[in-house]
Amino acid sequence: DSGVTQTPKHLITATGQRVTLRCSPRSGDLSVYWYQQSLDQGLQFLIQYYNGEERAKGNILERFSAQQFPDLHSELNLSSLELGDSALYFCASTSRSGEVYFGPGTRLTVL
Amino acid sequence: EDQVTQSPEALRLQEGESSSLNCSYTVSGLRGLFWYRQDPGKGPEFLFTLYSAGEEKEKERLKATLTKKESFLHITAPKPEDSATYLCAVQALGNAGNMLTFGGGTRLMVKP
Repeated sequence: DSGVTQTPKHLITATGQRVTLRCSPRSGDLSVYWYQQSLDQGLQFLIQYYNGEERAKGNILERFSAQQFPDLHSELNLSSLELGDSALYFCASTSRSGEVYFGPGTRLTVL
Repeated sequence: EDQVTQSPEALRLQEGESSSLNCSYTVSGLRGLFWYRQDPGKGPEFLFTLYSAGEEKEKERLKATLTKKESFLHITAPKPEDSATYLCAVQALGNAGNMLTFGGGTRLMVKP
């Protein structure tokens, strides 16, 4: 158990819909990273928040957005979903010593 | 642009047959190189971080080494439970977010 929690574990929805994925970092970690893992793309960095503020953006679509709340949990919002958005979405947090720990992931299936 | 290439893509070993996985990287300046183990449908499990050429780290049957251009994950006398995908990632200096750039992984299968 990495200490990073994610909910839900599985999400099945239809094209055009909107979903929200939730992540809580390890206790004491201020950074939250979101990654997407699809079969053909591998693990891709989406976005990072540090103590409530956006720190870096990767290959995140305009239909996707995220935020980090005062209690440090983060939410990734995916809208106007397409079949190609089906993937595993991981959240990660960084310890003070620089180690990066990943959560168990949310499997999103868009039908 | 940071790039990470892992080889081989897949590796089949007999139990007890030692081998090495390769991770070649191109980065403007290396902050750290990370190794993870990932089981199907699960999140990557942190194994090691290496920071400078010549550094080595060990954990049970695994040993990671780092040079200026590549890293190796040596697996000594593997067991079937070592079967998984092993991912390598780099973290570059100067990136505001310290995000990781991943390679495609090596799928390891250890047969009893």
